[in-house]
Amino acid sequence: DVKVTQSSRYLVKRTGEKVFLECVQDMDHENMFWYRQDPGLGLRLIYFSYDVKMKEKGDIPEGYSVSREKKERFSLILESASTNQTSMYLCAVGNRYGYTFGSGTRLTVV
Amino acid sequence: AQSVTQPDIHITVSEGASLELRCNYSYGATPYLFWYVQSPGQGLQLLLKYFSGDTLVQGIKGFEAEFKRSQSSFNLRKPSVHWSDAAEYFCAVVVYNQGGKLIFGQGTELSVKP
Repeated sequence: DVKVTQSSRYLVKRTGEKVFLECVQDMDHENMFWYRQDPGLGLRLIYFSYDVKMKEKGDIPEGYSVSREKKERFSLILESASTNQTSMYLCAVGNRYGYTFGSGTRLTVV
Repeated sequence: AQSVTQPDIHITVSEGASLELRCNYSYGATPYLFWYVQSPGQGLQLLLKYFSGDTLVQGIKGFEAEFKRSQSSFNLRKPSVHWSDAAEYFCAVVVYNQGGKLIFGQGTELSVKP
């Protein structure tokens, strides 16, 4: 089974900072995804990538960008963090037959 | 547009009672469907999945789900709930003509009374 590692479990950043969230897989899966999880809203897709340097917007891409320079690493970038981006961020890897999720990064923007 | 609806935000059941969590999806093609569980402070754990074939799917921890195409539903059931089942449950559908992205419902929080 693929292992999905998110670099930080908890992160506190200031408003206006540029924030990088990293996700690394230990296999060769093409598809990688970034979600944010908020109470009552479930998991909402921010961006996904189906290959190196390929990306697609999800349902809530505003205020975010992504980078996938190597197949195993998918980065989520908050260009200028705002308090409404305080959330739990989850990375996932997989395809229609199954997905593996990272343990999440809880980001607080103050 | 593709979507998943979990009509019940919060459900409370007594320990030992049966459980049914509802999930309705909107997707034009044959769906790939998943149920995940998330205990407090924990990651997402896969309970079961449906691709094709038998419409009654067995999962881990005694859970099962039934796919009903005519009702666009994929309800999760358990005959006898344990206190350790208290968690949040998410239903999801794969949009496989769009990179295989997974669309989630809003989640149902389950509380278990002793």
